[in-house]
Amino acid sequence: EPEVTQTPSHQVTQMGQEVILRCVPISNHLYFYWYRQILGQKVEFLVSFYNNEISEKSEIFDDQFSVERPDGSNFTLKIRSTKLEDSAMYFCASSTSDYGYTFGSGTRLTVV
Amino acid sequence: QKEVEQDPGPLSVPEGAIVSLNCTYSNSAFQYFMWYRQYSRKGPELLMYTYSSGNKEDGRFTAQVDKSSKYISLFIRDSQPSDSATYLCAMNTGGFKTIFGAGTRLFVKA
Repeated sequence: EPEVTQTPSHQVTQMGQEVILRCVPISNHLYFYWYRQILGQKVEFLVSFYNNEISEKSEIFDDQFSVERPDGSNFTLKIRSTKLEDSAMYFCASSTSDYGYTFGSGTRLTVV
Repeated sequence: QKEVEQDPGPLSVPEGAIVSLNCTYSNSAFQYFMWYRQYSRKGPELLMYTYSSGNKEDGRFTAQVDKSSKYISLFIRDSQPSDSATYLCAMNTGGFKTIFGAGTRLFVKA
Protein backbone atom coordinates (compact mmCIF):
# COMPACT_ATOMS: atom_id res chain seq x y z
CA GLU A 1 0.00 0.00 0.00
CA PRO A 2 1.36 3.47 -0.89
CA GLU A 3 2.82 5.44 2.01
CA VAL A 4 3.73 8.97 2.93
CA THR A 5 7.35 8.92 4.11
CA GLN A 6 8.74 11.47 6.57
CA THR A 7 12.33 12.06 7.61
CA PRO A 8 13.83 12.32 10.11
CA SER A 9 11.64 10.52 12.62
CA HIS A 10 13.10 12.58 15.46
CA GLN A 11 15.04 15.82 15.38
CA VAL A 12 16.53 17.72 18.29
CA THR A 13 17.54 21.30 17.64
CA GLN A 14 18.67 24.30 19.61
CA MET A 15 16.37 27.28 19.97
CA GLY A 16 16.97 29.77 17.17
CA GLN A 17 18.25 27.16 14.70
CA GLU A 18 16.64 26.41 11.36
CA VAL A 19 15.15 22.99 10.71
CA ILE A 20 13.85 21.35 7.56
CA LEU A 21 11.37 18.52 7.82
CA ARG A 22 11.07 16.32 4.77
CA CYS A 23 8.22 14.37 3.28
CA VAL A 24 7.68 12.20 0.24
CA PRO A 25 3.93 12.18 -0.50
CA ILE A 26 2.13 9.47 -2.44
CA SER A 27 3.11 9.86 -6.07
CA ASN A 28 -0.31 10.41 -7.69
CA HIS A 29 -1.63 12.71 -4.97
CA LEU A 30 -2.17 16.36 -5.79
CA TYR A 31 -2.81 17.98 -2.40
CA PHE A 32 -0.17 18.21 0.29
CA TYR A 33 -0.46 19.28 3.90
CA TRP A 34 1.45 19.85 7.09
CA TYR A 35 -0.23 19.36 10.45
CA ARG A 36 1.26 19.39 13.89
CA GLN A 37 0.35 17.84 17.22
CA ILE A 38 1.76 19.23 20.44
CA LEU A 39 2.01 16.48 23.07
CA GLY A 40 -1.43 15.75 24.51
CA GLN A 41 -3.19 18.22 22.23
CA LYS A 42 -5.21 18.20 19.02
CA VAL A 43 -3.89 17.68 15.54
CA GLU A 44 -3.71 21.23 14.13
CA PHE A 45 -3.67 22.40 10.53
CA LEU A 46 -0.60 24.36 9.44
CA VAL A 47 -0.70 24.66 5.66
CA SER A 48 -1.99 23.13 2.45
CA PHE A 49 -0.21 23.14 -0.89
CA TYR A 50 -1.72 22.57 -4.31
CA ASN A 51 -0.56 23.31 -7.82
CA ASN A 52 2.86 24.47 -6.57
CA GLU A 53 1.55 27.10 -4.22
CA ILE A 54 0.09 27.52 -0.75
CA SER A 55 -3.68 27.13 -0.98
CA GLU A 56 -4.46 27.84 2.68
CA LYS A 57 -2.53 28.46 5.88
CA SER A 58 -3.40 28.79 9.54
CA GLU A 59 -2.55 31.55 11.99
CA ILE A 60 0.20 29.30 13.35
CA PHE A 61 1.94 29.34 9.95
CA ASP A 62 3.66 32.71 10.33
CA ASP A 63 6.76 34.13 8.63
CA GLN A 64 8.98 31.65 10.45
CA PHE A 65 7.48 28.81 8.43
CA SER A 66 7.79 28.02 4.75
CA VAL A 67 7.01 25.08 2.50
CA GLU A 68 8.54 23.94 -0.74
CA ARG A 69 8.13 21.22 -3.29
CA PRO A 70 11.63 21.41 -4.74
CA ASP A 71 11.18 18.53 -7.18
CA GLY A 72 8.44 16.14 -8.26
CA SER A 73 8.58 14.00 -5.15
CA ASN A 74 9.68 15.89 -2.03
CA PHE A 75 7.67 18.30 0.11
CA THR A 76 9.47 20.21 2.86
CA LEU A 77 8.57 22.33 5.86
CA LYS A 78 11.18 24.82 7.02
CA ILE A 79 11.15 26.56 10.36
CA ARG A 80 13.63 29.43 10.22
CA SER A 81 14.29 30.20 13.86
CA THR A 82 12.87 27.56 16.15
CA LYS A 83 11.25 28.38 19.48
CA LEU A 84 10.61 26.11 22.44
CA GLU A 85 6.89 26.11 21.61
CA ASP A 86 7.60 24.64 18.18
CA SER A 87 8.30 21.30 19.89
CA ALA A 88 5.66 18.93 18.52
CA MET A 89 5.00 16.03 16.17
CA TYR A 90 4.83 17.32 12.62
CA PHE A 91 2.75 15.28 10.21
CA CYS A 92 2.84 15.48 6.46
CA ALA A 93 -0.26 14.30 4.60
CA SER A 94 -1.37 13.99 1.01
CA SER A 95 -4.62 13.32 -0.77
CA THR A 96 -6.26 13.07 -4.17
CA SER A 97 -9.30 15.24 -4.76
CA ASP A 98 -11.17 14.15 -1.64
CA TYR A 99 -10.75 14.89 2.01
CA GLY A 100 -9.44 11.60 3.28
CA TYR A 101 -5.78 12.17 3.90
CA THR A 102 -2.94 9.70 4.09
CA PHE A 103 -0.62 10.78 6.89
CA GLY A 104 3.03 9.98 7.38
CA SER A 105 4.35 8.66 10.67
CA GLY A 106 5.54 12.11 11.67
CA THR A 107 8.71 13.88 12.73
CA ARG A 108 9.09 14.52 16.43
CA LEU A 109 10.74 17.92 16.76
CA THR A 110 12.30 18.76 20.10
CA VAL A 111 13.59 22.31 20.58
CA VAL A 112 15.99 22.72 23.50
CA GLN B 1 -18.10 26.94 22.10
CA LYS B 2 -15.36 24.79 20.57
CA GLU B 3 -15.68 24.08 16.87
CA VAL B 4 -15.38 20.31 17.40
CA GLU B 5 -15.89 18.60 20.74
CA GLN B 6 -14.88 15.06 21.54
CA ASP B 7 -14.74 13.34 24.91
CA PRO B 8 -11.09 12.36 25.49
CA GLY B 9 -12.03 9.29 27.57
CA PRO B 10 -10.40 6.96 28.27
CA LEU B 11 -13.04 4.44 27.30
CA SER B 12 -12.40 0.89 28.45
CA VAL B 13 -14.48 -2.03 27.13
CA PRO B 14 -14.21 -5.84 27.13
CA GLU B 15 -13.30 -7.68 23.96
CA GLY B 16 -16.35 -8.27 21.77
CA ALA B 17 -18.25 -5.19 22.99
CA ILE B 18 -19.86 -2.63 20.71
CA VAL B 19 -18.05 0.69 21.02
CA SER B 20 -19.71 4.04 20.39
CA LEU B 21 -17.55 7.12 19.81
CA ASN B 22 -19.04 10.55 19.26
CA CYS B 23 -18.31 14.13 18.34
CA THR B 24 -20.38 17.29 18.29
CA TYR B 25 -19.63 20.38 16.29
CA SER B 26 -20.82 23.94 16.01
CA ASN B 27 -20.02 24.93 12.42
CA SER B 28 -23.01 24.08 10.21
CA ALA B 29 -20.81 24.55 7.12
CA PHE B 30 -19.00 21.25 7.73
CA GLN B 31 -19.88 18.81 4.94
CA TYR B 32 -17.13 16.17 5.06
CA PHE B 33 -16.73 14.00 8.12
CA MET B 34 -13.89 11.61 8.81
CA TRP B 35 -12.77 9.22 11.50
CA TYR B 36 -9.09 8.51 12.00
CA ARG B 37 -7.36 6.00 14.23
CA GLN B 38 -4.04 6.94 15.81
CA TYR B 39 -1.69 4.56 17.56
CA SER B 40 0.85 5.95 19.98
CA ARG B 41 3.58 7.99 18.25
CA LYS B 42 2.14 7.27 14.80
CA GLY B 43 0.30 9.36 12.25
CA PRO B 44 -3.51 9.26 12.05
CA GLU B 45 -4.91 6.56 9.76
CA LEU B 46 -8.14 7.18 7.87
CA LEU B 47 -10.91 4.75 8.86
CA MET B 48 -14.11 6.24 7.49
CA TYR B 49 -15.08 9.19 5.31
CA THR B 50 -18.63 10.47 4.86
CA TYR B 51 -20.11 13.29 2.88
CA SER B 52 -23.12 15.05 4.42
CA SER B 53 -25.69 13.16 6.52
CA GLY B 54 -26.29 9.44 6.61
CA ASN B 55 -24.66 6.15 7.49
CA LYS B 56 -21.68 4.34 6.06
CA GLU B 57 -20.54 0.84 6.91
CA ASP B 58 -17.15 -0.79 6.36
CA GLY B 59 -16.63 -4.17 7.95
CA ARG B 60 -16.93 -3.81 11.73
CA PHE B 61 -17.09 0.00 11.50
CA THR B 62 -20.19 2.17 10.98
CA ALA B 63 -20.09 5.95 10.72
CA GLN B 64 -23.20 8.07 11.24
CA VAL B 65 -23.67 11.75 10.57
CA ASP B 66 -26.66 13.74 11.80
CA LYS B 67 -26.22 17.26 10.47
CA SER B 68 -29.49 18.47 12.01
CA SER B 69 -28.07 17.70 15.47
CA LYS B 70 -24.45 18.47 14.52
CA TYR B 71 -23.49 15.06 15.85
CA ILE B 72 -21.36 12.29 14.38
CA SER B 73 -20.71 8.78 15.64
CA LEU B 74 -18.44 5.85 14.97
CA PHE B 75 -19.54 2.37 16.03
CA ILE B 76 -17.12 -0.53 16.29
CA ARG B 77 -18.70 -3.99 16.46
CA ASP B 78 -16.98 -7.04 17.97
CA SER B 79 -14.17 -4.87 19.33
CA GLN B 80 -10.69 -6.42 19.48
CA PRO B 81 -7.63 -5.59 21.60
CA SER B 82 -5.99 -4.39 18.37
CA ASP B 83 -8.66 -1.67 18.20
CA SER B 84 -7.05 -0.05 21.26
CA ALA B 85 -5.96 3.36 20.00
CA THR B 86 -7.01 7.00 19.96
CA TYR B 87 -9.92 7.76 17.62
CA LEU B 88 -10.07 11.22 16.09
CA CYS B 89 -13.09 12.74 14.44
CA ALA B 90 -12.32 15.30 11.74
CA MET B 91 -14.40 17.68 9.65
CA ASN B 92 -14.05 19.90 6.63
CA THR B 93 -16.27 22.54 5.02
CA GLY B 94 -15.00 21.75 1.53
CA GLY B 95 -11.87 23.87 1.75
CA PHE B 96 -8.30 22.83 2.38
CA LYS B 97 -8.36 22.89 6.18
CA THR B 98 -9.58 19.94 8.24
CA ILE B 99 -10.48 20.43 11.90
CA PHE B 100 -9.76 17.56 14.27
CA GLY B 101 -11.35 16.63 17.56
CA ALA B 102 -9.16 16.04 20.59
CA GLY B 103 -9.44 12.25 20.21
CA THR B 104 -10.95 9.53 22.41
CA ARG B 105 -8.58 6.95 23.88
CA LEU B 106 -10.06 3.46 23.62
CA PHE B 107 -8.84 0.40 25.49
CA VAL B 108 -10.24 -3.01 24.57
CA LYS B 109 -9.45 -5.59 27.24
CA ALA B 110 -8.86 -9.22 26.25
